[in-house]
Amino acid sequence: AQKITQTQPGMFVQEKEAVTLDCTYDTSDPSYGLFWYKQPSSGEMIFLIYQGSYDQQNATEGRYSLNFQKARKSANLVISASQLGDSAMYFCAMREGQMGSNYQLIWGAGTKLIIKP
Amino acid sequence: DGGITQSPKYLFRKEGQNVTLSCEQNLNHDAMYWYRQDPGQGLRLIYYSQIVNDFQKGDIAEGYSVSREKKESFPLTVTSAQKNPTAFYLCASSTQRRIARDTQYFGPGTRLTVL
Repeated sequence: AQKITQTQPGMFVQEKEAVTLDCTYDTSDPSYGLFWYKQPSSGEMIFLIYQGSYDQQNATEGRYSLNFQKARKSANLVISASQLGDSAMYFCAMREGQMGSNYQLIWGAGTKLIIKP
Repeated sequence: DGGITQSPKYLFRKEGQNVTLSCEQNLNHDAMYWYRQDPGQGLRLIYYSQIVNDFQKGDIAEGYSVSREKKESFPLTVTSAQKNPTAFYLCASSTQRRIARDTQYFGPGTRLTVL
């Protein structure tokens, strides 16, 4: 069964608009972490933001924020005021803290975001 | 500047040849990882190492080999046994604290093409 699901293969968004990238996950581990990475066309995977299962507040890093809905097992990435440089692939990943296999990251299939000028 | 370097950026291999991809990090991280990425897909774990002289197979280790003789270095060899090696290869490292929030940081990747 898929543990990380990103339902949007691709998205087009107008520059300066906010964008939400969806990620749902499946785990029975009470301790887990959720990560978002950005992969521009150059290929390098860039860490954006982290949310822990016990964190009381949604994570924020600059223009990135995570809309964490634990009961729904949802960890959507929100990018405010999108810029042309935000065009990239975005990956959601999860690590299970206690039950996971050697603490490996489990990856989603990614969402391709294209910002239109 | 601390970071992860991978070389070469592009690599071409003839069928039947072994090739080695380099990965070096100066972040003082204990753990290192190799991933494979095929076009339009996510990452799949090939091998990982939590400490020097120790490594474990990931989900797709067949046809690959690694070594971890130094903390800073984790080279990946793509052997002739790997039937479809054309892909983008990413190396990562982390502190490998045994907690959920241990973050992996990535190198720029090596694009391998079999001719």
